[in-house]
Amino acid sequence: GAVVSQHPSRVICKSGTSVKIECRSLDFQATTMFWYRQFPKQSLMLMATSNEGSKATYEQGVEKDKFLINHASLTLSTLTVTSAHPEDSSFYICSASLGGFQFFGPGTRLTVL
Amino acid sequence: GNSVTQMEGPVTLSEEAFLTINCTYTATGYPSLFWYVQYPGEGLQLLLKATKADDKGSNKGFEATYRKETTSFHLEKGSVQVSDSAVYFCALRRLAGGGADGLTFGKGTHLIIQP
Repeated sequence: GAVVSQHPSRVICKSGTSVKIECRSLDFQATTMFWYRQFPKQSLMLMATSNEGSKATYEQGVEKDKFLINHASLTLSTLTVTSAHPEDSSFYICSASLGGFQFFGPGTRLTVL
Repeated sequence: GNSVTQMEGPVTLSEEAFLTINCTYTATGYPSLFWYVQYPGEGLQLLLKATKADDKGSNKGFEATYRKETTSFHLEKGSVQVSDSAVYFCALRRLAGGGADGLTFGKGTHLIIQP
């Protein structure tokens, strides 16, 4: 139980385009989901907290207009990287909260050319 | 602010060796502490946790004790196996209790176990 999926697993896009990443809790409902970013050989950095039915809460230094988060249902949160640039290339990981624990998706590798 | 520091890897050990991966933290209040494991090609999985001082988390032969006096949460295992090869992350959660709050992670330690 407590499985979280992400789609796509990999995406390559051209600079200036927007990319949407989906995070789904498959067998449970999650009021709260989280988005993290991981650079090579670095730790996961919390980007934002996504709450169903309300605006996301962004960590300091994360541009909310750049990284749009929508938590439309109790099983789906989306992260849209708008006008992506090469410096946005990274590994994006989501997690869903259940009973005080976080269950992580497998991650999405974004490469911006 | 909150931070987690863990030993740099990779750590290479022979099968059946004793494992210690050090983790220290800086946080206000009384954070909950976690170890996550990431196997190749998979997402992070919770390995063990501790929510208050002197708590010992344990799972799959791994143990870690929440030491408030030394702000540490070192991961140990008495006899490692090849299947333990993975990346291990130490993490803390800002709020005590069951509130949903983001995690602060260490950089991860890549563990390689040789037969």
